[in-house]
Amino acid sequence: EVQLVESGGGLVQPGGSLRLSCAASGFSFSTYTMSWVRQAPGKGLEWVSTISDSGDSTYYADSVKGRFAISRDNSRNTLFLQMSSLRAADTAVYFCAKDLGAGNRYFHHWGQGTLVIVSS
Amino acid sequence: QPVLTQSPSASASLGASVSLTCTLDSGHITYAIAWYQQQPEKVPRFLMMLNSDGSHIKGDGIPDRFSGSSSGAERSLTISSLQSDDEADYYCQTWGPGRMFGGGTKLTVL
Repeated sequence: EVQLVESGGGLVQPGGSLRLSCAASGFSFSTYTMSWVRQAPGKGLEWVSTISDSGDSTYYADSVKGRFAISRDNSRNTLFLQMSSLRAADTAVYFCAKDLGAGNRYFHHWGQGTLVIVSS
Repeated sequence: QPVLTQSPSASASLGASVSLTCTLDSGHITYAIAWYQQQPEKVPRFLMMLNSDGSHIKGDGIPDRFSGSSSGAERSLTISSLQSDDEADYYCQTWGPGRMFGGGTKLTVL
């Protein structure tokens, strides 16, 4: 069974930093593209960032480019999101998601999410 | 970058059928999309990937009541025999250099 468990969320001041983690199990982590998707309170889904299976390629939404960095450790089956220069608009539940596979760039499995609140 | 447009809301009666539509902008009408369901306070769930020819790949355990179809720029999700727990937000998603979601449709089951 695929499991994705996020951690690292919390309350942070504007301008601060936070590192999210996503522990994966139940599938061959190193062979799947992985992503972060967020959802602000009462709002829709917003794609944040994607990383290829090897980690060689990364992609970012314009809203986080230059402030967030996605990475992965395939030896530990773990996905990361380093967030810096945080703003109130970054307040959201952050979901880790696994691709459908075979080049299909859709979010097949989702974690439970971790809440990030940016506030003074 | 593709743009996806969804109606903000829809409603239908218990036991009836409803179709939700996701419309691609004119420059991307051949794109495939995915549909997701998000029940209140729950995690989004992958329903299906839907190609421009109407073929689709469903997610794990998605019942036959959920089906997809395509016509031109429109990608539709049809839910038949509506149940109370079909009341949810439904999102479509596609990809270009990045990935993008439609604004979502809130489905109310009357």
